[in-house]
Amino acid sequence: QQQVKQSPQSLIVQKGGISIINCAYENTAFDYFPWYQQFPGKGPALLIAIRPDVSEKKEGRFTISFNKSAKQFSLHIMDSQPGDSATYFCAASIIGYKLIFGSGTRLLVRP
Amino acid sequence: DGGITQSPKYLFRKEGQNVTLSCEQNLNHDAMYWYRQDPGQGLRLIYYSQIVNDFQKGDIAEGYSVSREKKESFPLTVTSAQKNPTAFYLCASCPGQGVGNTEAFFGQGTRLTVV
Repeated sequence: QQQVKQSPQSLIVQKGGISIINCAYENTAFDYFPWYQQFPGKGPALLIAIRPDVSEKKEGRFTISFNKSAKQFSLHIMDSQPGDSATYFCAASIIGYKLIFGSGTRLLVRP
Repeated sequence: DGGITQSPKYLFRKEGQNVTLSCEQNLNHDAMYWYRQDPGQGLRLIYYSQIVNDFQKGDIAEGYSVSREKKESFPLTVTSAQKNPTAFYLCASCPGQGVGNTEAFFGQGTRLTVV
């Protein structure tokens, strides 16, 4: 019940394309769903986050889509750029409590 | 600058040694966390602390120990009982339970290698 399942494990996208990463969870008590971006040798940094009272949140080229009934959420990166190449982690938590991370998706955006 | 600082960046441990990884934050956050990251895997929770002088085991606590004597500090000791300690260790902090701002901030990590 505490798991967050993330797919795909790796993703290759051409520059300008759309990158889509999916996550699913079981615990209906989760009420905070962030996405983190991590570059090699660095700590993860918060990219965008959503609460379950909205179905979509957009910040620049990054959008989270949230489907409460299906217990799924996804990250869409529009107009993907080589600088977006990184590992992306979804996570879930009860607000203020420990974050449970997905297994990560390594994104490569080809020029 | 407010943030979370881990040291050292690289650490080498001999077989049978205990080593301590430092994590300091000046964000005035109540909660602090230690995660372990292995290649191709997600972040696995080792220990966490919601308040000073209190901490709980995470999913992979065996072979590790922590202390939380000060709000700003949460050191992690990797003991000789940890059979496979080579990994990237990440410390994080967030405001705490029941607080509206939930963003977790991560340090830059410590890469531990057994030699």
